Amino acid sequence: NAGVTQTPKFQVLKTGQSMTLQCAQDMNHEYMSWYRQDPGMGLRLIHYSVGAGITDQGEVPNGYNVSRSTTEDFPLRLLSAAPSQTSVYFCASSQLAGDLTDTQYFGPGTRLTVL
Amino acid sequence: AQSVTQPDIHITVSEGASLELRCNYSYGATPYLFWYVQSPGQGLQLLLKYFSGDTLVQGIKGFEAEFKRSQSSFNLRKPSVHWSDAAEYFCAVGARNTDKLIFGTGTRLQVFP
Repeated sequence: NAGVTQTPKFQVLKTGQSMTLQCAQDMNHEYMSWYRQDPGMGLRLIHYSVGAGITDQGEVPNGYNVSRSTTEDFPLRLLSAAPSQTSVYFCASSQLAGDLTDTQYFGPGTRLTVL
Repeated sequence: AQSVTQPDIHITVSEGASLELRCNYSYGATPYLFWYVQSPGQGLQLLLKYFSGDTLVQGIKGFEAEFKRSQSSFNLRKPSVHWSDAAEYFCAVGARNTDKLIFGTGTRLQVFP
């Protein structure tokens, strides 16, 4: 299986534009999440989902929307991009929700620049 | 509040030397602790994790970490570093029955031949 895949790898947006970062996993994992990684800040949780139809906010949710219509996909939407959203975005998944003993698998990341 | 501190932003070692990366956490209960590695341009890969039991945990690629409750630490060690170990290393903490991980700010490891 392919694991966790993310598209695109790189994206440049202008302020105010919208876009969707795609994340998919083929491991039938319950739990999926989005992080952003900024220099000197580590990874911060944006949104997460414990199953299809269920999403919740993480530490830094403002400016982002998510949905989970299927087990496999967890897209992250930026409705009106801002320069503060310039970052590297990682999607992660794990087999069981509510169980950190289960390994989280990370995608390769999307590098987003907002001008 | 829960937090993770990695006091060293950047560490440089010679190939073959020993390595210790520091991680301190602040947590109300017994935490779950993790070390992840991120190679340039890649996602994060789990090196090792601690949930309970033996406080010395073995991971992949020859890494180990020791949980010291009295010091609120979970330092990562390797006896002999290889050039391929050059990467960024993240410590993370989480709680039982949750999914949320709190990451440290990372330590960038540079290895000289």
